[in-house]
Amino acid sequence: AQSVAQPEDQVNVAEGNPLTVKCTYSVSGNPYLFWYVQYPNRGLQFLLKYITGDNLVKGSYGFEAEFNKSQTSFHLKKPSALVSDSALYFCAVRPPYNNNDMRFGAGTRLTVKP
Amino acid sequence: DAGITQSPRYKITETGRQVTLMCHQTWSHSYMFWYRQDLGHGLRLIYYSAAADITDKGEVPDGYVVSRSKTENFPLTLESATRSQTSVYFCASSRGEIQPQHFGDGTRLSIL
Repeated sequence: AQSVAQPEDQVNVAEGNPLTVKCTYSVSGNPYLFWYVQYPNRGLQFLLKYITGDNLVKGSYGFEAEFNKSQTSFHLKKPSALVSDSALYFCAVRPPYNNNDMRFGAGTRLTVKP
Repeated sequence: DAGITQSPRYKITETGRQVTLMCHQTWSHSYMFWYRQDLGHGLRLIYYSAAADITDKGEVPDGYVVSRSKTENFPLTLESATRSQTSVYFCASSRGEIQPQHFGDGTRLSIL
């Protein structure tokens, strides 16, 4: 079975600085990878996905993520953080052969300080 | 653009009672999902549905029942609630297997 790990419970950055939220995965075959963001008392919102192709994926709100097959990682990045980026971020993985089996990480709380 | 709505947003009930959480989407998406969110676990899939009248178990299905008689509705029933089912429940939908899932705002369920 596949799994996904977000090694940091909390990430703190200053506004204007670059941010990285880490994600590593374990799955048989080529994975489908996703990033979602959750604001308080709301459902998850889709940011970006990697299915195939270019390893650098660009998504909503200026976020991007880099797929690294050798390191089995899919880190979320943004060149310049905003206070409004403060939220809970989830990485998710599923194998290409089973839509039933989406696995989410435990989440990383990002705090951007003015 | 109503999207996907869940009801109720908050529910308190007692152990042993039956409770049904509702989910309705207006996009005619084929796929629908139920997750529970617990601290330290992220989201875990309870059940999913690929189309009306087609449902399948996810990672944590025990104690839950689903049905999907219409494409737009996907209710989740706890037949005999237990305290371990206290959680925040999210419904989601997507239009295809590799398409992103769109989430409702959740139902916070407390079982006393």
